[in-house]
Amino acid sequence: SAVISQKPSRDICQRGTSLTIQCQVDSQVTMMFWYRQQPGQSLTLIATANQGSEATYESGFVIDKFPISRPNLTFSTLTVSNMSPEDSSIYLCSVAGLAGGGSYEQYFGPGTRLTVT
Amino acid sequence: AQSVTQPDIHITVSEGASLELRCNYSYGATPYLFWYVQSPGQGLQLLLKYFSGDTLVQGIKGFEAEFKRSQSSFNLRKPSVHWSDAAEYFCAVGAAGATNKLIFGTGTLLAVQP
Repeated sequence: SAVISQKPSRDICQRGTSLTIQCQVDSQVTMMFWYRQQPGQSLTLIATANQGSEATYESGFVIDKFPISRPNLTFSTLTVSNMSPEDSSIYLCSVAGLAGGGSYEQYFGPGTRLTVT
Repeated sequence: AQSVTQPDIHITVSEGASLELRCNYSYGATPYLFWYVQSPGQGLQLLLKYFSGDTLVQGIKGFEAEFKRSQSSFNLRKPSVHWSDAAEYFCAVGAAGATNKLIFGTGTLLAVQP
């Protein structure tokens, strides 16, 4: 498996502001994903980050609220825009399609714990 | 639509006892199935996966899971639980195809008594 890092690991932000979360992988991967885990809840897929093109968003998530970039095969960012307390969650990136591995299993970063006050 | 059900929200077992965590899925074709573990304040770690072939799969940390198509189940088992196994466990089903999306169950929180 790969080493996946996320920055920041946690943050406390004021409502109305935006936060950009970075996800870095130590090897090239085919696919990168962003998930949200609300307090006490399971994981919900926000979007698939596509290299060189616009991300593919799941129902209920929009680009204006969660803009995503993926400039290359090892890096992606998720921005949480115009935050409200309802955005307080753990945000996790995951990767699939590691060299030598299957394309369906996903490996997760450590997550970014966001609190909006 | 695909879905995953983990009927047990919270389970407590004694250290050294056996463990079985239940997972039922709904999917129109042969699913790709996964078990992940999340320790407090950590990301998710992949325990094991099933794609095809032998229906009993072995994973890390002494865990195994059995795919039963007739019951649409993929239960996770461990013969002897250690205190370090206390964590939240998520079952997930994969969508084959270009999107490779995972649908997660609601999780089972495991507590281990000394």
